[in-house]
Amino acid sequence: NAGVTQTPKFQVLKTGQSMTLQCAQDMNHEYMSWYRQDPGMGLRLIHYSVGAGITDQGEVPNGYNVSRSTTEDFPLRLLSAAPSQTSVYFCASSETPFTYEQYFGPGTRLTVT
Amino acid sequence: GEDVEQSLFLSVREGDSSVINCTYTDSSSTYLYWYKQEPGAGLQLLTYIFSNMDMKQDQRLTVLLNKKDKHLSLRIADTQTGDSAIYFCAESNQGGKLIFGQGTELSVKP
Repeated sequence: NAGVTQTPKFQVLKTGQSMTLQCAQDMNHEYMSWYRQDPGMGLRLIHYSVGAGITDQGEVPNGYNVSRSTTEDFPLRLLSAAPSQTSVYFCASSETPFTYEQYFGPGTRLTVT
Repeated sequence: GEDVEQSLFLSVREGDSSVINCTYTDSSSTYLYWYKQEPGAGLQLLTYIFSNMDMKQDQRLTVLLNKKDKHLSLRIADTQTGDSAIYFCAESNQGGKLIFGQGTELSVKP
């Protein structure tokens, strides 16, 4: 199993550009989520999904969209990038929302200039 | 709302014990976790404790939970340079979402 994979590893965007961060898992997990990590702030939940076709907002959803058309994939879209979205983004998955272990991808480091 | 707090830095000498502390506010948490993040990598689950337990030991790791004070700690015995990383405390709320602390950067000096 590859586990949770994320692409790209690094990305630089200009303000106003849009892009999609990719996340895929091969463990047949129902629950997937996106976090952003900022210095001194830990990880904050952006959006999550409890299964294909179902998504919901987390703590900091503004400026981001998600969709879940398959169990395996959970892309995160930045609609119009802003410098405040400069961060490291992590995707995670688990069997269910209540499974004690979440598996994290290696992260995408995004810089918006 | 739910909140998880940790101190940001801890420095220890190789061979000493490290104790990383965490406080949380949600008394209905079912599980509390410790995750480790090595430089440039994602988070990896180190250990967890169910909310009805006081202590859990796993090789060099000891987790202590004081539910009354909402205090969680992680003790690493015989700390090695390979233990240098950021350690995140997290709780799962009733919706199953993880709430993370800010992370404690552990620096182990030879």
